[in-house]
Amino acid sequence: SQQGEEDPQALSIQEGENATMNCSYKTSINNLQWYRQNSGRGLVHLILIRSNEREKHSGRLRVTLDTSKKSSSLLITASRAADTASYFCATPRGGSNYKLTFGKGTLLTVNP
Amino acid sequence: GAVVSQHPSRVICKSGTSVKIECRSLDFQATTMFWYRQFPKKSLMLMATSNEGSKATYEQGVEKDKFLINHASLTLSTLTVTSAHPEDSSFYICSAIDRDPYEQYFGPGTRLTVT
Repeated sequence: SQQGEEDPQALSIQEGENATMNCSYKTSINNLQWYRQNSGRGLVHLILIRSNEREKHSGRLRVTLDTSKKSSSLLITASRAADTASYFCATPRGGSNYKLTFGKGTLLTVNP
Repeated sequence: GAVVSQHPSRVICKSGTSVKIECRSLDFQATTMFWYRQFPKKSLMLMATSNEGSKATYEQGVEKDKFLINHASLTLSTLTVTSAHPEDSSFYICSAIDRDPYEQYFGPGTRLTVT
């Protein structure tokens, strides 16, 4: 089974609304990361949450991690049109701290 | 933050030719770089780990003779797609690690189209 699966696959909201994306994973992890990718571009690291953390904030981003349910969520508050992008969660693989397995991603569209 | 560049950003080549893609860390030294492949509207798939001064480590299912990786210096890794075929058309992205092993810096990607 695939590590790091996000849902929903696509999300369309209006500017100012909050956007929540979820990620589930299969194996034990020591950290989980969220990345953002604008169309046709590389990835930008957003936030890392360690397995002993339950919640982490960075600006308008809030990430939660529930290791008992093997799931994480990314909340973007007060969304802006510029937040339109694909969002991926990523988890370490095979005992490595830096080899990552990416989920399928959530395409977020924020309508002005 | 750390900057990683890729060159070229787009390349179109004919079947049977080889294409080289460069990945550079501009303001830091990267002993480890990664090469990913991404199909349209799909996730990133790790192809190989590139280590400076040693052979690359390829993921299962990735042909090392097809995708040649050279990490000649602490700031440069190259991926050469040999004898390219249309099915090799994809978006290739590299990443590099600075000091923090948990944070990877990604290049802007290279769109390869094989005709």
